[in-house]
Amino acid sequence: SQQGEEDPQALSIQEGENATMNCSYKTSINNLQWYRQNSGRGLVHLILIRSNEREKHSGRLRVTLDTSKKSSSLLITASRAADTASYFCAISGGSNYKLTFGKGTLLTVNP
Amino acid sequence: NAGVTQTPKFQVLKTGQSMTLQCAQDMNHEYMSWYRQDPGMGLRLIHYSVGAGITDQGEVPNGYNVSRSTTEDFPLRLLSAAPSQTSVYFCASSYTPSGGDNEQFFGPGTRLTVL
Repeated sequence: SQQGEEDPQALSIQEGENATMNCSYKTSINNLQWYRQNSGRGLVHLILIRSNEREKHSGRLRVTLDTSKKSSSLLITASRAADTASYFCAISGGSNYKLTFGKGTLLTVNP
Repeated sequence: NAGVTQTPKFQVLKTGQSMTLQCAQDMNHEYMSWYRQDPGMGLRLIHYSVGAGITDQGEVPNGYNVSRSTTEDFPLRLLSAAPSQTSVYFCASSYTPSGGDNEQFFGPGTRLTVL
């Protein structure tokens, strides 16, 4: 299976701190995407990083991709209570018609 | 744009009943998909479509049917509901036929309980 695996499963930090989540996978990919899900809501796309890219930024988000280690990380800087959510990595590989999601990291940012 | 809409938001069925979960998008996206989300399991792909008239199976297709008669709509049919189909169902769309190549836009979800 192409499923990504997030680590840690849960993370609790204080407002203003940085949060780092990791995603590991087992086979080659076309791209890797990160999504956020607030409790009881649908998923929202954050960043897509392609297999030939190493780093991307979007506001307070920084995503890195290391294809040699088959891993990616999502860094949220200066976290806010509103960042409290589950974060999922999603892998696109092979035929590119499917995204395969991991089980997610639950981030809690305490005010 | 309304984006991706799903109805109903909540549904309770009895075992053996059938129903259709509705999904519509107004972004003229070619690719549409259905996922189910269960605790501790992440999202799993049920069926997807790369354009009107074209559908294919995902990871967990058994017990579900789909059709795509228009670009906008992608209904998911439960043929004979079972308690194992209790889940939250998400519809998603993407503007290119290769749905994994770009970001996907998700609907708000349908929470289904089968008794």
